[in-house]
Amino acid sequence: QKEVEQNSGPLSVPEGAIASLNCTYSDRGSQSFFWYRQYSGKSPELIMFIYSNGDKEDGRFTAQLNKASQYVSLLIRDSQPSDSATYLCAVVRGYQKVTFGIGTKLQVIP
Amino acid sequence: DAMVIQNPRYQVTQFGKPVTLSCSQTLNHNVMYWYQQKSSQAPKLLFHYYDKDFNNEADTPDNFQSRRPNTSFCFLDIRSPGLGDAAMYLCATSSDETGQNYEQYFGPGTRLTVT
Repeated sequence: QKEVEQNSGPLSVPEGAIASLNCTYSDRGSQSFFWYRQYSGKSPELIMFIYSNGDKEDGRFTAQLNKASQYVSLLIRDSQPSDSATYLCAVVRGYQKVTFGIGTKLQVIP
Repeated sequence: DAMVIQNPRYQVTQFGKPVTLSCSQTLNHNVMYWYQQKSSQAPKLLFHYYDKDFNNEADTPDNFQSRRPNTSFCFLDIRSPGLGDAAMYLCATSSDETGQNYEQYFGPGTRLTVT
């Protein structure tokens, strides 16, 4: 079992729809959870982090965490073509153990 | 603006010829990381520094070394690059002074080509 699992996609959604990106992790001691956006050929850009169960909203983005189910998700409302990128889930246990998922490629169709 | 800077952005080296990639940061973060990312793969942590303490990942080849002469700078040395080392190399920083989150901030990366 991979430590952090993501469906590599591509996930295709029409412009204006909600994109739902999912991530599961295996280490129950994980403390913080991050979503990064990575455009092709570019470095990862931090979008959101969450460390408490529940939802956290920032503009069009909502991160959801369920530690009991070891599940974290990212919702993107009103998806735009500029949201087309790979979304990396990162799971952190202290500063020294950071594990990235393979990323989900999102395509927003105009 | 506070940031993480990597130089060069693109590096071409010959098989077996040593190469050094550099990273600097103005965030004053105490933790610095080096990742290797190949196409369509997750970033793979090579090593990190917590202040001056070096921490190597168990599966990082001996061919990869690192130096951190001060808080702001960190270098990645590849002693004898092979074709399989062609990748994007990402430097990231974080700080344990911001609480438990340890969010990482990435530089723009260096794309290494080995010929």
